[in-house]
Amino acid sequence: NAGVTQTPKFQVLKTGQSMTLQCAQDMNHNSMYWYRQDPGMGLRLIYYSASEGTTDKGEVPNGYNVSRLNKREFSLRLESAAPSQTSVYFCASSTTTSVGNQPQHFGDGTRLSIL
Amino acid sequence: GENVEQHPSTLSVQEGDSAVIKCTYSDSASNYFPWYKQELGKRPQLIIDIRSNVGEKKDQRIAVTLNKTAKHFSLHITETQPEDSAVYFCAAYQGGSEKLVFGKGTKLTVNP
Repeated sequence: NAGVTQTPKFQVLKTGQSMTLQCAQDMNHNSMYWYRQDPGMGLRLIYYSASEGTTDKGEVPNGYNVSRLNKREFSLRLESAAPSQTSVYFCASSTTTSVGNQPQHFGDGTRLSIL
Repeated sequence: GENVEQHPSTLSVQEGDSAVIKCTYSDSASNYFPWYKQELGKRPQLIIDIRSNVGEKKDQRIAVTLNKTAKHFSLHITETQPEDSAVYFCAAYQGGSEKLVFGKGTKLTVNP
């Protein structure tokens, strides 16, 4: 099992360009997440999807859109990139069992620079 | 919503010493608390977790304690080694949701 796979691993964009970050998981998890990580700020939630067909805003959703394409895939789109969106982006997935919430599993991240 | 505070932000210890990282949370309905370790340039990885029906959990040199009344939980690493050097994050699930809230992290440095 690959776990959580993110593409691309690195990307450089110019201000105003658009792009989509892809994420796929093969663990049959219901929930998927997008975080951004900036120095000293920890992991901040952008959007999450608790189940296929649903999405919810996190702490820092402005400037982003998401699509839960199916149970496996959850994409993050920057419509008009800004330098403030330079960051490392992590996708994660998790599930809930009869015991309760389960840990999130992270992808390797996408390092995005906006010039 | 949930708010998680983590202290200290940096911690430097000598090899073989113990390290303690403390977190507080605000949502009394939170019931699951994972800890993640992130090495430089790598993804966060789960190292230990605890549920609200347990007060302490150990895994070799790592232990986590939870005080539900005070709403705080702590990570304890004994006999630290240089490979323990990393950033550690505590987290708490917002009660009744799939939303995980992270602390801002502690950079642990273990000096040989």
